[in-house]
Amino acid sequence: TQLLEQSPQFLSIQEGENLTVYCNSSSVFSSLQWYRQEPGEGPVLLVTVVTGGEVKKLKRLTFQFGDARKDSSLHITAAQPGDTGLYLCAGAHPGAGSYQLTFGKGTKLSVIP
Amino acid sequence: ETGVTQSPTHLIKTRGQQVTLRCSSQSGHNTVSWYQQALGQGPQFIFQYYREEENGRGNFPPRFSGLQFPNYSSELNVNALELDDSALYLCASSLAILQGNTEAFFGQGTRLTVV
Repeated sequence: TQLLEQSPQFLSIQEGENLTVYCNSSSVFSSLQWYRQEPGEGPVLLVTVVTGGEVKKLKRLTFQFGDARKDSSLHITAAQPGDTGLYLCAGAHPGAGSYQLTFGKGTKLSVIP
Repeated sequence: ETGVTQSPTHLIKTRGQQVTLRCSSQSGHNTVSWYQQALGQGPQFIFQYYREEENGRGNFPPRFSGLQFPNYSSELNVNALELDDSALYLCASSLAILQGNTEAFFGQGTRLTVV
């Protein structure tokens, strides 16, 4: 069974602080994806990382993929209240149709103004 | 371009009953996946439909079944509902791998409560 462990489970910080959340896998996936989910909504894709050692930036968000492609991190600089939400990592493995996703439990982030 | 839509948005059922949830995929997307998200958990893969056939299944019993229609929309059926089936059910649509961009777009979900 492929598992994804996310940490921390909960994070509450002040506006302007930096934070990092982690995602560790027991095995290698074809790619790893990060999603953000707000209450009452479905997850929205933030980024997909494929290559070991890859770093991607999305404004104040920086995503890293470990060299062995089994761990990843999401770093947010100068967090804002709008960053509040559930951050999910997901490993993608191919099916006959499209990719099938294995999600971690998520990190619930609260940014206090 | 319409996004992924799910119906109903909320549903309350009694233990032992059956339920059907519906999903309309994003325009042009031919693959639909269903996920179950219990409170405080990440989504769990139930199954995926491609070309109207089930393609891949997670660790869910046979009382979870589905359909995909020629217009790529999909249904999730759950028989003999149990209290633990209470969750947010998410539908995601995408293109098939061989078509290139396989980004999955999620609907807003159906919140099912079993009492």
